[in-house]
Amino acid sequence: AQKVTQAQTEISVVEKEDVTLDCVYETRDTTYYLFWYKQPPSGELVFLIRRNSFDEQNEISGRYSWNFQKSTSSFNFTITASQVVDSAVYFCALSERNGNQFYFGTGTSLTVIP
Amino acid sequence: IAGITQAPTSQILAAGRRMTLRCTQDMRHNAMYWYRQDLGLGLRLIHYSNTAGTTGKGEVPDGYSVSRANTDDFPLTLASAVPSQTSVYFCASSATGTGWRTDTQYFGPGTRLTVL
Repeated sequence: AQKVTQAQTEISVVEKEDVTLDCVYETRDTTYYLFWYKQPPSGELVFLIRRNSFDEQNEISGRYSWNFQKSTSSFNFTITASQVVDSAVYFCALSERNGNQFYFGTGTSLTVIP
Repeated sequence: IAGITQAPTSQILAAGRRMTLRCTQDMRHNAMYWYRQDLGLGLRLIHYSNTAGTTGKGEVPDGYSVSRANTDDFPLTLASAVPSQTSVYFCASSATGTGWRTDTQYFGPGTRLTVL
C-alpha cells in the first residue's frame, strides 16, 4: 500500500490564483513526521516544511500554508496568489519514528500560467 | 558552504560496466541517503547510513552497494549496470544519527545516469 498518496498528478493554474496540493498518508506509528519538498525545473529538491504528528497547528509562511489534519490523515499545501516561480513538482513525504526510511509521494506537477 | 555535492552531474554508461556515484557533504551530518527518482514513482530509497561505519538497505537496494568510511562521503556503486538503473540519483543527508528516521533531509543536485 502506498504510504503517501498525492492524487493530483498535474495541476495548472493561472497566475494569482490560489492552489491546494493534496497529500494523504498512511501510518500506524503514533509518532511521525511529514514533509513537503519543491523540485523546480532545475531539478534540485528544496525542503519547505517539516511537521510532527503532535503538532496539528496550521502553518503559514508568506504565500505558503499547510493544513495538517490527523482525522483525515492529510497534510495539504496551499499556495496563495500563485506566481510563475511556483511552477515545480511538489513532493509530500512521511517518516516514522519506528521505520527506517522516508516515504515520498509520487509528486504533483504544478504549472502556473502567466 | 557547498552543502551536498554529487559527481558526476550526468553520465552515459554501457550495460555491464561498473560505476560509482560520488556524494560529499560538508555539513557534518551523521546520516546520509541515496535515492533514485523515476517518472511516476517519486523518490525511492536505495541505501542509507545513519552514522559513519554503518549502512542499511532501503526500498530498492538490489544492484547497488554503498560504503561509509567517514562522515563526509557516501559513494554509491553499481557493480554491473543494467538499463533499468537509468534514473536520476539523489544523495541526501540529515543532521542527527539517533534521530535519523525523522530528521529533515537535505538533498544534493542529483546525477542523471543513462545505462545503454
